[in-house]
Amino acid sequence: EDQVTQSPEALRLQEGESSSLNCSYTVSGLRGLFWYRQDPGKGPEFLFTLYSAGEEKEKERLKATLTKKESFLHITAPKPKDSATYLCAVQAGYSTLTFGKGTMLLVSP
Amino acid sequence: EAEVAQSPRYKITEKSQAVAFWCDPISGHATLYWYRQILGQGPELLVQFQDESVVDDSQLPKDRFSAERLKGVDSTLKIQPAELGDSAMYLCASSLATSGGEQYFGPGTRLTVT
Repeated sequence: EDQVTQSPEALRLQEGESSSLNCSYTVSGLRGLFWYRQDPGKGPEFLFTLYSAGEEKEKERLKATLTKKESFLHITAPKPKDSATYLCAVQAGYSTLTFGKGTMLLVSP
Repeated sequence: EAEVAQSPRYKITEKSQAVAFWCDPISGHATLYWYRQILGQGPELLVQFQDESVVDDSQLPKDRFSAERLKGVDSTLKIQPAELGDSAMYLCASSLATSGGEQYFGPGTRLTVT
């Protein structure tokens, strides 16, 4: 059974304080790993897809990396508007996505 | 920018009543998904459509939930009768690829069953 574990459950940062979120996964035959951002009361917003170990993708202050067992979402010099829940999901073969519980990020000014 | 549309955004219903949610995917997206998200959890798949056909409904509680996508475009998810435990966010998503991949979500319907 595919499993996704995200840590920490919640993270509080000061504006400008860089950090990383972790997504550990167990899956047979990874097809893709996905990162989403979800604001309270809204649907998840797609951020990145990673397909193979060593791959990296960047968008503004966010950079996602992938190894064979985990993915990191690095946040550089975060701003209060980066506050959200970040969800990680994996796809094995042609199955659908399995999501983690998310990391709730709060960035204080 | 193309978006997934859902309605209503909020729904309050009494237990044992029927409730329905509607979703219009991004134009051209053949694959449509319905998810349920409980507060503090990640989304969990209820049903997946490829065009008008159900691909995966293994997690859909079929005694009370039903879903259809008659013309392969928009979709309706129904609950009858609603139970207190059905209170959650119901999310619709769509993807271009038939094999899944990047899914784009709508704003969701927040259901409260009293």
